Amino acid sequence: DTGVSQDPRHKITKRGQNVTFRCDPISEHNRLYWYRQTLGQGPEFLTYFQNEAQLEKSRLLSDRFSAERPKGSFSTLEIQRTEQGDSAMYLCASSPIREANEQFFGPGTRLTVL
Amino acid sequence: AQSVAQPEDQVNVAEGNPLTVKCTYSVSGNPYLFWYVQYPNRGLQFLLKYITGDNLVKGSYGFEAEFNKSQTSFHLKKPSALVSDSALYFCAVRDSRGSTLGRLYFGRGTQLTVWP
Repeated sequence: DTGVSQDPRHKITKRGQNVTFRCDPISEHNRLYWYRQTLGQGPEFLTYFQNEAQLEKSRLLSDRFSAERPKGSFSTLEIQRTEQGDSAMYLCASSPIREANEQFFGPGTRLTVL
Repeated sequence: AQSVAQPEDQVNVAEGNPLTVKCTYSVSGNPYLFWYVQYPNRGLQFLLKYITGDNLVKGSYGFEAEFNKSQTSFHLKKPSALVSDSALYFCAVRDSRGSTLGRLYFGRGTQLTVWP
């Protein structure tokens, strides 16, 4: 399968714990995006990378959230001191560098904070 | 500010009938418009996009969408619905200029149900 992959698919954690998610984009895609989707809502943008550079961050991305893409390939999204409000589906997408290209989404990581 | 509205939370249609899922948008510059479909426990799948050119764009699985600049709309259509089309559909927009070149703005989604 050459699509976008995400790991884990599901994560249950207790409030206050740290969690880390991984995204592996389609190999030739320079751009990588993170979105968050809650029930009954469309995906909301969190951040995006072009190669290893983080070019844009949403105000949704509080100080507890950090994302990296150290070698311009896979990316990680870490949430520190999780809160119940962080419970959501976290989606990763990738696209080629051409501006008008669609983004290809992974299956998502569903986070439940107890 | 960029935004997308999908005015219908649900659309129900009988198999074989035409379907329309509505979308209106707001952007500062010229829009890049997209439709995605989401099946349960799966990621979003790209259906089609409008960048420039013909106002009627054709996409996967027999879907098409019509861009209407004066009405700022991009409605998704299919001439004959299938039960397997039942899913959650999202409209998304990007501005072709400005500092937020990376992000997509999504609507809240429309649940399409096609009954036999």
